[in-house]
Amino acid sequence: QVQLQESGPGLVKPSQTLSLICTVSGDSISSGGYYWSWIRQHPGKGLEWLGFIYYSGNTYYNPSLKSRISISLDTSKNQYSLKLSSVVAADTAVYYCARDRGRRVDGYYYGMDVWGPGTTVTVSS
Amino acid sequence: EIVLTQSPGTLSLSPGERATVSCRASQSVTSSSFVWYQQKPGQAPRLLIYGASIRATGIPDRFSGSGSGTDFTLTISRLEPEDFAVYHCQYYGALRTFGQGTKVEIK
Repeated sequence: QVQLQESGPGLVKPSQTLSLICTVSGDSISSGGYYWSWIRQHPGKGLEWLGFIYYSGNTYYNPSLKSRISISLDTSKNQYSLKLSSVVAADTAVYYCARDRGRRVDGYYYGMDVWGPGTTVTVSS
Repeated sequence: EIVLTQSPGTLSLSPGERATVSCRASQSVTSSSFVWYQQKPGQAPRLLIYGASIRATGIPDRFSGSGSGTDFTLTISRLEPEDFAVYHCQYYGALRTFGQGTKVEIK
């Protein structure tokens, strides 16, 4: 059974860099076929897709964050990470990592089928 | 960029009633790329439906999805107590776009 778990500081100061790790168990992030994603949810709001990294290392980011976001893989630890620089109070949210199955050869997009429980990050001095 | 607009924002119903949640895309999208999630308080979202109408593994058949073009619908035929939650639509594209969510609450 595939499981994802987010970890990282729950409190980040304004202007600093938010750094989170997603540890994957039950599957290898380098085995191919999946997009390893980050999503966040502001308090009481909808979901916002931040970006993902493919097993090849290719990354895709939400344009609204493109200058501040970086996602990377650590295949030796079966982890991937999120870095968001120059944070402000508006970056306060619950951050989720999720496995995105992408579009398969049958043409269907199979959605994000495995999610971590989420971690709350507060930006405050 | 495609924008997804869900309606209503909140749906107040009683157990046993039928729930209908709508999601409208700002331009026509392929139904094979349309997904629904359920999210309970304090939990991560759970995949419900993909391809606009195909239930994910383990999802009860009281959940159904339909639609094409710009209009998509999630229907819960008879609400069970555990179905009161927030429902999110999502479209696969160069970006992964979500709707703003619809809360189904107990009346």
